[in-house]
Amino acid sequence: DGGITQSPKYLFRKEGQNVTLSCEQNLNHDAMYWYRQDPGQGLRLIYYSQIVNDFQKGDIAEGYSVSREKKESFPLTVTSAQKNPTAFYLCASRSSYEQYFGPGTRLTVT
Amino acid sequence: AQRVTQPEKLLSVFKGAPVELKCNYSYSGSPELFWYVQYSRQRLQLLLRHISRESIKGFTADLNKGETSFHLKKPFAQEEDSAMYYCALTSTSGSRLTFGEGTQLTVNP
Repeated sequence: DGGITQSPKYLFRKEGQNVTLSCEQNLNHDAMYWYRQDPGQGLRLIYYSQIVNDFQKGDIAEGYSVSREKKESFPLTVTSAQKNPTAFYLCASRSSYEQYFGPGTRLTVT
Repeated sequence: AQRVTQPEKLLSVFKGAPVELKCNYSYSGSPELFWYVQYSRQRLQLLLRHISRESIKGFTADLNKGETSFHLKKPFAQEEDSAMYYCALTSTSGSRLTFGEGTQLTVNP
């Protein structure tokens, strides 16, 4: 274990509030990713970053924002514009061919 | 557009029986295919990739370009194989993975 940390493990927010999920890695990887995991839908890519100060939208970027100011950090903000934010969020970083995943954050918005 | 399909959401077998988890893909170029596994209370992790052509924990997967499939097989399932399995595809640049919906495998004693 180790290498990628996500905090907190569980997060609760009221509807209409923005919330930021943390992702840190010490693997010295350039590329980092955010996925959303929903039952029966697999992992869907939200945003990814291949290098510091650069990031691209994934398949379901609407209602989310990211930043990549440091190589080690790739925080994800779930905005109030995200229509169905309650989900399990996974962060990953990539070596030459393998993605390494964090333990995930379960976000519940009520 | 690249797409990965895992037709079985749930798969249940008995210990010692053969198991096959199906994966089909669509991609216009030459993809790289992977199987990732998530055991209970553990992180998602790489199980195997088609380029390495190796067997991990008794599992193998052969890329069939004609049928655009990458099925995962094991001749004798064990209880510790119970997990969620995801098939994934990436382009040769490797910049992003596309995952299938996942198959929950249960191996019964």
